[in-house]
Parts: sequence; structure tokens; C-alpha cells
Amino acid sequence: GAVVSQHPSWVICKSGTSVKIECRSLDFQATTMFWYRQFPKKSLMLMATSNEGSKATYEQGVEKDKFLINHASLTLSTLTVTSAHPEDSSFYICSAVLSTTSLPYEQYFGPGTRLTVT
Amino acid sequence: QKEVEQDPGPLSVPEGAIVSLNCTYSNSAFQYFMWYRQYSRKGPELLMYTYSSGNKEDGRFTAQVDKSSKYISLFIRDSQPSDSATYLCAMRANNNDMRFGAGTRLTVKP
Repeated sequence: GAVVSQHPSWVICKSGTSVKIECRSLDFQATTMFWYRQFPKKSLMLMATSNEGSKATYEQGVEKDKFLINHASLTLSTLTVTSAHPEDSSFYICSAVLSTTSLPYEQYFGPGTRLTVT
Repeated sequence: QKEVEQDPGPLSVPEGAIVSLNCTYSNSAFQYFMWYRQYSRKGPELLMYTYSSGNKEDGRFTAQVDKSSKYISLFIRDSQPSDSATYLCAMRANNNDMRFGAGTRLTVKP
């Protein structure tokens, strides 16, 4: 089956520093990747949609200068949290789809990255 | 009103019980309905999906969609301790983004 990995699985950083999270599709090429944020006991909130070779589309209320997304290849998307603050602490999950015509259930999720900002 | 409502629980049942998990929604354009299982500090994994109304069964799991009531359910028969996880409902219209419920935390006690 389709496998999506994330690295790192857990990261602790100091306030004011930047953190990069990688999302990779291991056995398929993903034209589109999604980045979600999940708070405890809350649903997944879509942050942005990333298409290979083009700029990411951010959801309303998500600061694109703070959450930099790069989708440089068909197997890799990165999320960089710049000048992180404690309120950015959360569980970040990426997902990937094979193509724009993929069906909704053909969206494959990574294992998530837990970010703690001290 | 949220587009997707799901009782976060927690829900605790004895091993072997039948579990009923539910979501309601407000957007009548939703056509695809999914259930994901998420273990602690892991990403969601797809359990079942249905398109439009009806029932779908897969082993111990049954998914039901009632579009007239805007209500979907997931039933787990003969629940096992390994079923302990958070269950997320998700739904999508044809060309919109997926919307998730808050997730219901289930514990199956041996």
C-alpha cells in the first residue's frame, strides 16, 4: 500500500528558532500533499495544500510567512515553522494523493510530527 | 454550527461489546464518507469509506450513511482491546477539501 513518512517524529525547539518537517511519499509519486495541524481532542485542521512545483495554497487564518511549505519534488514536501513560539506546539500531519483525480479515500497520511516549543 | 460534529467521548466498553460511533454533518454536498482510526501519536489510517447513502461491511466493521438525516455511523462488533484508538469521521464533497470530526476516543477493556 501507499506509505507516507514524516521526519522527525518528535522535535523540541526553543522559542524563536525555526523547525523543518519533512513529508515523503515512499512508494508513489504525489502530485499533491496536504499539511494538517491537530490539537488534543480536536479534529485535523487543514493548513495548506501543496502541489509539486507550485506555490502552496494556504487556508484562511494560516500565516504563510510563518509556515513555509515547499514541494520541490513528487515525493517530498517540507513544512518550516519559522520563529516558533509555544503556541505553535502541536501535532503536524501530512498526507499525499497520487493525482488530482484521486478519490477522497485515496489520501494517505503520514505518522505525524509532534512539535514542542519551549 | 460546525460542518462535522462528533462526540469526542471518551467511550469505554468491555471486550466483546458492540461499539457505535457517530457523526452528524450540515453540508448536504458531502458525497464521500470515511472513517479513520488513529492510534496515540500516530497518523490516521483509513478504515472504511462509503459513497453516498447505504451500508458497507468489512469484517467486524460496518459503516452506515443516512444522507436524509445527515448522520453516519461506524459499528464495531466483538470489540477487542486492539481496537482502542481514536476514530475520526471524515467527509468530502466532489471538489472540496476533506472535513474531519473531532474524533471519538475508544477504550476496549479486557
